[in-house]
Amino acid sequence: GAVVSQHPSWVICKSGTSVKIECRSLDFQATTMFWYRQFPKQSLMLMATSNEGSKATYEQGVEKDKFLINHASLTLSTLTVTSAHPEDSSFYICSARGLAGVMGGELFFGEGSRLTVL
Amino acid sequence: GDSVTQMEGPVTLSEEAFLTINCTYTATGYPSLFWYVQYPGEGLQLLLKATKADDKGSNKGFEATYRKETTSFHLEKGSVQVSDSAVYFCALHSGYSTLTFGKGTMLLVSP
Repeated sequence: GAVVSQHPSWVICKSGTSVKIECRSLDFQATTMFWYRQFPKQSLMLMATSNEGSKATYEQGVEKDKFLINHASLTLSTLTVTSAHPEDSSFYICSARGLAGVMGGELFFGEGSRLTVL
Repeated sequence: GDSVTQMEGPVTLSEEAFLTINCTYTATGYPSLFWYVQYPGEGLQLLLKATKADDKGSNKGFEATYRKETTSFHLEKGSVQVSDSAVYFCALHSGYSTLTFGKGTMLLVSP
């Protein structure tokens, strides 16, 4: 199957700093990438949808100025948590969908990035 | 809107026991149904899927049948192993861009 890689897997930062998480599709081109957030013992919550070369579409309740998403190429999307606070500590997961007809349109998930804000 | 309801966990079983994790859904149209697995500290992996009514998805000994009449997609395995311990998510896709997930069910298998 296709591979989606996230980096870093773990990150610990101080309150007030910004953290960037990368999501790469390693062996296919992804026109659309999705960012999710997972709280402990809960399901995944979609944060935003990003399409290559255009602005991300954020779900209701997600602060777009706090969670900056960039999808600059067909293989890379980034999520930047700006001025992070302890309540932003969470597990962030990305998924990618290939070009129409590629990989059957299936979603492939990254390994996730665990953010801890002190 | 679309929704997925899973049985609450944790589900605790002994090795070689039979597993059932219930999943029911609400959706407009004819969704595709999925089971994802999340091993400790890792991201999600697709376990199996079914795209139309009466289809059976299967992988690694796990099975689930798309039942339109009961709007269900229960996950089953005849003999679980310790390595099956993980969180299992039922999900559906009904034409929107991404998936709607259930809350997940933790499975703990003891030797």
